[in-house]
Amino acid sequence: DAKTTQPPSMDCAEGRAANLPCNHSTISGNEYVYWYRQIHSQGPQYIIHGLKNNETNEMASLIITEDRKSSTLILPHATLRDTAVYYCIVRAINAGNNRKLIWGLGTSLGVNP
Amino acid sequence: NAGVTQTPKFQVLKTGQSMTLQCAQDMNHNSMYWYRQDPGMGLRLIYYSASEGTTDKGEVPNGYNVSRLNKREFSLRLESAAPSQTSVYFCASRADSRTTGTSGSSNTGELFFGEGSRLTVL
Repeated sequence: DAKTTQPPSMDCAEGRAANLPCNHSTISGNEYVYWYRQIHSQGPQYIIHGLKNNETNEMASLIITEDRKSSTLILPHATLRDTAVYYCIVRAINAGNNRKLIWGLGTSLGVNP
Repeated sequence: NAGVTQTPKFQVLKTGQSMTLQCAQDMNHNSMYWYRQDPGMGLRLIYYSASEGTTDKGEVPNGYNVSRLNKREFSLRLESAAPSQTSVYFCASRADSRTTGTSGSSNTGELFFGEGSRLTVL
């Protein structure tokens, strides 16, 4: 599975959109982009994933560039409860064991009142 | 709907003691995983189980053993704990992959995590 690069930290004002970038320049054609977040002392939580088209769910939107070498997770109206570490991961949908899944350190998002 | 349940949440051991971390999921997932998380490092896979009755090593298996008792349960055992095993341990299960829709995106394949077990070895 390809490695991803994320900024170590970001800040966002409460109520504003939080845009978290991720670079995955070595992504393969069969690899999806997954986003998770980890609120302090809790287990990581799945947010969203996509292959090549933009995706939206009740939590966030995922924008993937046309060349698929980068993506952006958008939290449209950040709240204090969105303060967490956000992980961007790429993996093949049928990778099976997640053995080579590389988590990295993610982006620590601080939402300020 | 409990999801993934881990026990215990906290444990303090002395060097050389043994213990077992328990994990159970109620989502009928085939795949289950044990990760450890240390400060300044990402999640690292210890062991995984692709299905009931099978287990395999991950990135950092040394000092650990696992047992997939049935489809629901996947336990992690430390036979002789060492201070280097002080960490937060997460169990996870994975939804079986399937593809839906015309966009090519899949609705599953994501990992579901437990709340973690914080282990300190003195």
